[in-house]
Amino acid sequence: DGGITQSPKYLFRKEGQNVTLSCEQNLNHDAMYWYRQDPGQGLRLIYYSQIVNDFQKGDIAEGYSVSREKKESFPLTVTSAQKNPTAFYLCASTRQDQRAFFGQGTRLTVV
Amino acid sequence: DQQVKQNSPSLSVQEGRISILNCDYTNSMFDYFLWYKKYPAEGPTFLISISSIKDKNEDGRFTVFLNKSAKHLSLHIVPSQPGDSAVYFCAATQGGSEKLVFGKGMKLTVNP
Repeated sequence: DGGITQSPKYLFRKEGQNVTLSCEQNLNHDAMYWYRQDPGQGLRLIYYSQIVNDFQKGDIAEGYSVSREKKESFPLTVTSAQKNPTAFYLCASTRQDQRAFFGQGTRLTVV
Repeated sequence: DQQVKQNSPSLSVQEGRISILNCDYTNSMFDYFLWYKKYPAEGPTFLISISSIKDKNEDGRFTVFLNKSAKHLSLHIVPSQPGDSAVYFCAATQGGSEKLVFGKGMKLTVNP
C-alpha cells in the first residue's frame, strides 16, 4: 500500500538536544511538507520541498532544519534553538492536483 | 496575517441535521480550495476540493460551495453522522505553487 510513514509516533527530548523526525513516502510525490500543530493554531508550515535537493522555509522555520537527499525521504531535525518544540508534527506530500497525503504524526515532548 | 480563516472554533449539531462549516480567505490569487478532516492523534485526510472555476462540488454527503466575490467557501454535510465528529481544516493554494495554506480548524461534534 502506498502512503506516508512517520516515525516515531511519540518522541521525548531533553532540553538542549537535537532530535530528528523521520518521514518516508512511497507515493512518488515530488513535493513534501512538514507542519506543526498546536492547540488553537491549526497547521503551520515549517519547511517544504518541491524537488530533491531543494527545500524552502515555511512560516515557522526557525529552530528547524531539513534535508531532501532522496525523493522518498524528508527528515526534520528539531534543534536546540527551537524554543518551544513540544507539539504534534505532521509530514505530508502532494499530488499534482494538490491533494495532500499526511502521515500519522509524531508527538514531540520536551522533558 | 492569516490568509485562510475559520472564525468559529467549534460547532455542535444533532445527528441527521446539516452541518455547515465556513472558511474565508484574503488572498485573491488562491484558485484551489480543499477541506481536510482530522481525528485526534492522526494526520488529516483529504475530504473534498473545489477549483475556482466552479462554485459547487458535491461528493456524497459532502458539498463545498465557493463564493469568489465574497472570498468565502463552506462545507455542508448532510445528513450529519456521529462519525463526522472531527476537526475540519480548510486549505487553499495558488495554482502551481504547491504550497497549501491552512486555516486553524473547526471542531465539529455530531451528537447522537
